Amino acid sequence: EAQVTQNPRYLITVTGKKLTVTCSQNMNHEYMSWYRQDPGLGLRQIYYSMNVEATDKGDVPEGYKVSRKEKRNFPLILESPSPNQTSLYFCASSPARRDRNTEAFFGQGTRLTVV
Amino acid sequence: DAKTTQPNSMESNEEEPVHLPCNHSTISGTDYIHWYRQLPSQGPEYVIHGLTSNVNNRMASLAIAEDRKSSTLILHRATLRDAAVYYCILRVTGNQFYFGTGTSLTVIP
Repeated sequence: EAQVTQNPRYLITVTGKKLTVTCSQNMNHEYMSWYRQDPGLGLRQIYYSMNVEATDKGDVPEGYKVSRKEKRNFPLILESPSPNQTSLYFCASSPARRDRNTEAFFGQGTRLTVV
Repeated sequence: DAKTTQPNSMESNEEEPVHLPCNHSTISGTDYIHWYRQLPSQGPEYVIHGLTSNVNNRMASLAIAEDRKSSTLILHRATLRDAAVYYCILRVTGNQFYFGTGTSLTVIP
């Protein structure tokens, strides 16, 4: 089954304690991205990657890092989490065709609480 | 600045058609218009997308204005399972997706 898998689904952590949220897709997609969803703000893009070793900032990258060492994985790293990073996070993937005439697949989300 | 604007909420009676509008006045010629929906506690789910021509699939229809500055998602017969937040999104050069704030659709039995 084609899917995007995020782990963990729920996470409560303390300020300053480094954490990683994993994202994996089994569709051989080139494009992967991370979003955060906050009430009243919709989904905002944090980082995206067009392919292995190619990452770029989205609209709200501050406080986050990503890496793309393998095509299937795109982990989101919070080196020093703060309470304003409490949010619902989604990973997505899609083919990166030149004409962009493709759909994206989203993971089930990771609810992060930083206390 | 938001690339798409949608009404915050809409209501529809069950088994009636629903027209969900979206404005994207700053769209460029190569941006694709996508629609996704999000059920409670789930990730966004693809509904439909298009560039210039109207599109139909098993879930919905997408009507795109001739000047491409607006579009309408049409659900032909709303069911209770269609109650969700519907997002109008632009997929731009570079493959990025820009989400609007979405329309919360309530379906009344």
